[in-house]
Amino acid sequence: AQSVSQHNHHVILSEAASLELGCNYSYGGTVNLFWYVQYPGQHLQLLLKYFSGDPLVKGIKGFEAEFIKSKFSFNLRKPSVQWSDTAEYFCAVNALRGRRALTFGSGTRLQVQP
Amino acid sequence: GAVVSQHPSRVICKSGTSVKIECRSLDFQATTMFWYRQFPKQSLMLMATSNEGSKATYEQGVEKDKFLINHASLTLSTLTVTSAHPEDSSFYICSALLSGGYNEQFFGPGTRLTVL
Repeated sequence: AQSVSQHNHHVILSEAASLELGCNYSYGGTVNLFWYVQYPGQHLQLLLKYFSGDPLVKGIKGFEAEFIKSKFSFNLRKPSVQWSDTAEYFCAVNALRGRRALTFGSGTRLQVQP
Repeated sequence: GAVVSQHPSRVICKSGTSVKIECRSLDFQATTMFWYRQFPKQSLMLMATSNEGSKATYEQGVEKDKFLINHASLTLSTLTVTSAHPEDSSFYICSALLSGGYNEQFFGPGTRLTVL
């Protein structure tokens, strides 16, 4: 069975600070990896995804993530956060073959202070 | 991008009544849709996988007789919460899998169910 761990539950940063949110997964096969963002009162939006190829993935709004296979990690980064990045961030995985449903991490609440 | 809608966005009902939630893929066809449940300040938990023209596949611990899922067309899946109780109050979110070899899901805005 797949599982996803997000170690940071609540992160508070000042504007312009750098961000890194941790995500580790557990699964015996090949996975697809995703980061979603949920702004207050809004639905989930895809930030970025990794299927194959370059392990450094660039997404929307200046976010990027790096897949490190040996560490089963897919950490999300942004060099300089903005107040508008305040949201809940979810890491998710699904299997490359077979089960397509996503397994989500517990989420990280990011609060950016102006 | 692909758009998924849910209706209603909010519903309040009395205990013992049934509530139907619709999930539609507006600009693409989805043979597979998923229903998730999100408790306050928690992550999304998969409830069931809905396949067009066949029975839904439920996750362990999810009562199929209580959460009825119908996927009658390539653009519509419905979740009916039967005989709702206060503990069923939650945020229900659907997603639709883009057919044609892609492995990306598009999420609806969610439905907030409150059972009194």
